[in-house]
Amino acid sequence: KNQVEQSPQSLIILEGKNCTLQCNYTVSPFSNLRWYKQDTGRGPVSLTIMTFSENTKSNGRYTATLDADTKQSSLHITASQLSDSASYICVVSAVASGGSYIPTFGRGTSLIVHP
Amino acid sequence: ETGVTQTPRHLVMGMTNKKSLKCEQHLGHNAMYWYKQSAKKPLELMFVYNFKEQTENNSVPSRFSPECPNSSHLFLHLHTLQPEDSALYLCASSPHRAKPAGELFFGEGSRLTVL
Repeated sequence: KNQVEQSPQSLIILEGKNCTLQCNYTVSPFSNLRWYKQDTGRGPVSLTIMTFSENTKSNGRYTATLDADTKQSSLHITASQLSDSASYICVVSAVASGGSYIPTFGRGTSLIVHP
Repeated sequence: ETGVTQTPRHLVMGMTNKKSLKCEQHLGHNAMYWYKQSAKKPLELMFVYNFKEQTENNSVPSRFSPECPNSSHLFLHLHTLQPEDSALYLCASSPHRAKPAGELFFGEGSRLTVL
């Protein structure tokens, strides 16, 4: 069964500090991994996408890594800002027979940035 | 603004009521989705429509009835719901169901409370 596990479940940090969120998955056959940011009361918005051959990808202060061998990904946030307070969801997609893709969602990590 | 609009944003209904959730996308996408988001749980896929045809029904109870009159509009008709159906219902769209790297574009969600 395809599964995505995220840790920690919640995290509180001070503004300006860095943090790293983890995602472990058992999804096969692997197609891609996305990190979404979901602000309170809003829908999720994609931050990055990682395919099998990519190890690192940055989007501003967000840097995602992927280790396809150990089936782990991380999202590193540098110099956190109050606006980074949100839920961060790891989504891993498998390719099903017939060509459609099947995304599996993690529960998310709730990040709170305090001033 | 993600290009996916959901109405209403908030809905309170009794167990004997009939109501509908509406989703409209302005992105020219061909695939639309309904997801359920409950507290502390991963997003649960409910229905998928690809080119107006329902391609997936994820064992959703019949008290939830989807309708997709065209590629831009998606409805979720609700009747005789249970309190455990209270959740955030997210609509999403993507260019095509069968694109492995396809990003999901989410609406803001409809927060449903069943009394």
